[in-house]
Amino acid sequence: GNSVTQMEGPVTLSEEAFLTINCTYTATGYPSLFWYVQYPGEGLQLLLKATKADDKGSNKGFEATYRKETTSFHLEKGSVQVSDSAVYFCALSASGGYNKLIFGAGTRLAVHP
Amino acid sequence: DTAVSQTPKYLVTQMGNDKSIKCEQNLGHDTMYWYKQDSKKFLKIMFSYNNKELIINETVPNRFSPKSPDKAHLNLHINSLELGDSAVYFCASRNRDDYGYTFGSGTRLTVV
Repeated sequence: GNSVTQMEGPVTLSEEAFLTINCTYTATGYPSLFWYVQYPGEGLQLLLKATKADDKGSNKGFEATYRKETTSFHLEKGSVQVSDSAVYFCALSASGGYNKLIFGAGTRLAVHP
Repeated sequence: DTAVSQTPKYLVTQMGNDKSIKCEQNLGHDTMYWYKQDSKKFLKIMFSYNNKELIINETVPNRFSPKSPDKAHLNLHINSLELGDSAVYFCASRNRDDYGYTFGSGTRLTVV
């Protein structure tokens, strides 16, 4: 079945450090890939998405590239801020499953000044 | 504001009670979902409706019953609540032409 695996957290960084959160997926066909962010006490917000191979999603300084050959969609940011502290979820949506979103386990990011 | 709104935001209740969570979206989306987030933050789909028709029902106890009176509303009724039902429940909606979901802010259910 379809699944998403992302690196376990927590990830603890100093402000202005480089961030990578790894995400790999297993899916039949050609899923769409997403990163969602959940700030403390809030719901999920779409951070970025990519719908086909080699697409790069980007938003608020975050980027992720859809790599079909490695079935990966790693999240990166060049310089994190304290306000980026949140839980980040990688997810996929496959058309064969009524487009339900399948989430990874989430990675908690803590950024310190 | 265009959004997915859930009520209530917090719900504390005793074991054995019956409770409902309501969800409404004014985005004109065709499909709505219920997700459950457990204490470890893991998110799992429960149900989905497309234009008032149930299309996804993921191995959820039959104490949970979704109801969609129209395509803008998807409510979740839970009978005979158990301690293990304590979680955050998220409603979401999606337009068929868009790949992204819009989530509500969640309902934190605590069963004591």
